[in-house]
Amino acid sequence: SAVISQKPSRDICQRGTSLTIQCQVDSQVTMMFWYRQQPGQSLTLIATANQGSEATYESGFVIDKFPISRPNLTFSTLTVSNMSPEDSSIYLCSAGHQQYEQYFGPGTRLTVT
Amino acid sequence: GIQVEQSPPDLILQEGANSTLRCNFSDSVNNLQWFHQNPWGQLINLFYIPSGTKQNGRLSATTVATERYSLLYISSSQTTDSGVYFCAVDTGNQFYFGTGTSLTVIP
Repeated sequence: SAVISQKPSRDICQRGTSLTIQCQVDSQVTMMFWYRQQPGQSLTLIATANQGSEATYESGFVIDKFPISRPNLTFSTLTVSNMSPEDSSIYLCSAGHQQYEQYFGPGTRLTVT
Repeated sequence: GIQVEQSPPDLILQEGANSTLRCNFSDSVNNLQWFHQNPWGQLINLFYIPSGTKQNGRLSATTVATERYSLLYISSSQTTDSGVYFCAVDTGNQFYFGTGTSLTVIP
């Protein structure tokens, strides 16, 4: 298993600004992912964070809007850029040694005003 | 992409009752997990169950991969079981979450 922490746990941001969310894992993991969960909805995968290379984005998500870094096997960041109220969601980081068994962080609750 | 449907979408139970949650998926999958998202938003791993049956206390799960469904059983429900239950499947290319079942257990 893996224990995952995220910072910040919540934030309220102004339209047009950017927020960087940090994800820290307590052990080296192969896979790290970022998800978005809009209010009352299921989780949608944003991207796979690849160590030492560019993230792999899912359809509907682009690097300019959601730049991701993963400098090592235990840490990743997601930036939500040029925010609008539609970006208000919970953003979750997950990690695991295999894609098929993932563990989740507590999430970051973002409100954009 | 694959469709992952859960039923029922909402469920209200009296404390002590039993329930069965279902997860149907539209294509073959490599693996399947069940999660509980508590009212504070934390996702908790319940089972990694690509096939067969597993039990953990009052919870058990069964996956019949050939028929493309999985079931999560909750027995003697408690108020702390409230929250949203998600199944998620791995197709080898991506991890897809189901639509979720929102469970409320009332005392």
